[in-house]
Amino acid sequence: GAVVSQHPSRVICKSGTSVKIECRSLDFQATTMFWYRQFPKQSLMLMATSNEGSKATYEQGVEKDKFLINHASLTLSTLTVTSAHPEDSSFYICSATTSRSYEQYFGPGTRLTVT
Amino acid sequence: ILNVEQSPQSLHVQEGDSTNFTCSFPSSNFYALHWYRWETAKSPEALFVMTLNGDEKKKGRISATLNTKEGYSYLYIKGSQPEDSATYLCALYGTASKLTFGTGTRLQVTL
Repeated sequence: GAVVSQHPSRVICKSGTSVKIECRSLDFQATTMFWYRQFPKQSLMLMATSNEGSKATYEQGVEKDKFLINHASLTLSTLTVTSAHPEDSSFYICSATTSRSYEQYFGPGTRLTVT
Repeated sequence: ILNVEQSPQSLHVQEGDSTNFTCSFPSSNFYALHWYRWETAKSPEALFVMTLNGDEKKKGRISATLNTKEGYSYLYIKGSQPEDSATYLCALYGTASKLTFGTGTRLQVTL
């Protein structure tokens, strides 16, 4: 149980385009989903927290207009990187949790490369 | 703000060796400490969640301890196997209801 999928696993896009990453909880309802980013040799850094049906809460230094997060249902959250630039190239990973637990279940991540 | 440090950054052991790594934190102002095992191209897998000083958890050949007074947690692997090769992440769940991660210890077990 507690499986989280992420799609795509790897994406290459041109500078200036937008990329959407999906995070799905497959066998449970996720009241809260988290989006993390990891740069090489650094730790997972929380970007934002999203609760189903409400606006995401962004961490300091994360541009909400650049990283659009939508959590429209209890099983799906999306992260859209708008007008991507090479510095947005990174590993993006989501996690999901239920209201009854602080255990977070992670997706396998998405490697984004912006050329 | 929670700080989490892990050491060593990477570790290379032979099959059968026992090993351990450290997660250290200067502040004990958190609810729980999590250990995750993360294999390449897979999802981080939860190993342990510990909340109390003196907690010890065990799962097969892997065990962990927590010392909140001195600010560290140890993860032990007994008789390492090649399938133990992964990055082991430590994270603190704090008062802001968020996980703060260390940079991980990358373990490589060879035959």
